[in-house]
Amino acid sequence: AQSVTQLDSQVPVFEEAPVELRCNYSSSVSVYLFWYVQYPNQGLQLLLKYLSGSTLVKGINGFEAEFNKSQTSFHLRKPSVHISDTAEYFCAVSASGGSYIPTFGRGTSLIVHP
Amino acid sequence: GAGVSQSPSNKVTEKGKDVELRCDPISGHTALYWYRQRLGQGLEFLIYFQGNSAPDKSGLPSDRFSAERTGESVSTLTIQRTQQEDSAVYLCASSSAGRGLQHFGDGTRLSIL
Repeated sequence: AQSVTQLDSQVPVFEEAPVELRCNYSSSVSVYLFWYVQYPNQGLQLLLKYLSGSTLVKGINGFEAEFNKSQTSFHLRKPSVHISDTAEYFCAVSASGGSYIPTFGRGTSLIVHP
Repeated sequence: GAGVSQSPSNKVTEKGKDVELRCDPISGHTALYWYRQRLGQGLEFLIYFQGNSAPDKSGLPSDRFSAERTGESVSTLTIQRTQQEDSAVYLCASSSAGRGLQHFGDGTRLSIL
């Protein structure tokens, strides 16, 4: 079984500032890792994914994340945020072999202030 | 459309009534998932369908919850004798083979009075 911990429930930041949303996971097997974004009254949209290969993953909207196996982390970063990035962000993990049912973190609310 | 479609988008019903929520996955996606998202919470896994295999029902919270899927198409989540704690957004997702890479619908917001 896997588990995901998103360490911050809310992250306020000013527009054009950098941001990091933290995600740690635990698993006894190799994993796939995902970040999703949820805008109000919408479903989740995939931002980026780590399946294998390079540990630095680039996604949509200027976001990137780095898989750190030794620290079991997959933190999401953006060098300069925009007002439109205000949303809920979910980290998810699934076992690389098996039923592929992802486990989601509780979410981090990113609030970008002008 | 090209995405996952859920209906209705909103449902308000009285406690004790049965409700049926529908999900149309992306054509060709063999896997389908249902999740519950309570206000301000993360996603709670409910049930997973993969092709013609027996569904993984390990996340269903009680026997009032059930779901069906016809082949690799439409799925229906049924909640019988609804309770106020069933109020939540119910999200459906589908994916092609494996890896857990999911495409989500916009959800059904269920309110139990």
